[in-house]
Amino acid sequence: SQKIEQNSEALNIQEGKTATLTCNYTNYSPAYLQWYRQDPGRGPVFLLLIRENEKEKRKERLKVTFDTTLKQSLFHITASQPADSATYLCALGESSGDKLTFGTGTRLAVRP
Amino acid sequence: SAVISQKPSRDICQRGTSLTIQCQVDSQVTMMFWYRQQPGQSLTLIATANQGSEATYESGFVIDKFPISRPNLTFSTLTVSNMSPEDSSIYLCSVESLAVNEQFFGPGTRLTVL
Repeated sequence: SQKIEQNSEALNIQEGKTATLTCNYTNYSPAYLQWYRQDPGRGPVFLLLIRENEKEKRKERLKVTFDTTLKQSLFHITASQPADSATYLCALGESSGDKLTFGTGTRLAVRP
Repeated sequence: SAVISQKPSRDICQRGTSLTIQCQVDSQVTMMFWYRQQPGQSLTLIATANQGSEATYESGFVIDKFPISRPNLTFSTLTVSNMSPEDSSIYLCSVESLAVNEQFFGPGTRLTVL
């Protein structure tokens, strides 16, 4: 089965800097990879999806890369703000309509 | 997008009892998913609920422990039966937008079993 690794240690950065979070997987490359944001006491909120044939995807201050050779996705938040503080989860999907496999998430703290 | 509500938002239950969690979606969807998120852990899929058929359970989860109903295309329930403290967790339902492979999650139900 697929194993997903996200840094369990919290990432603390200064406001205005770029936050970079890592998601590594161990087995076969998924059809697509997603990133979610989860705030305490709330369900995850979808942010970005990147497919296996895409190397990079952007949305406003967010950027996701997907390297199937390294079996890794990087999630970047540029010009970070304290409001970006949350836990970020990556999730792998094998095909459309199939279940997602989630990582444990990395907590991001942006200090003013 | 889909708006999902869950009831109850939280509950504290005694060992050996059962709790039924409701999930309501504001649009008709084919598949609904039930996840568990234990403290400090990732989301783990319990089962997939299709309207008009039996739910499909993931490895480690059984129907006797987590019976699921799916009476129509906008509603589902998950029951946590014969609860023990190990069942203390957040339970989340979600639906998928097939057009964009995006999942929408409910706010979750925080369950504490004493």
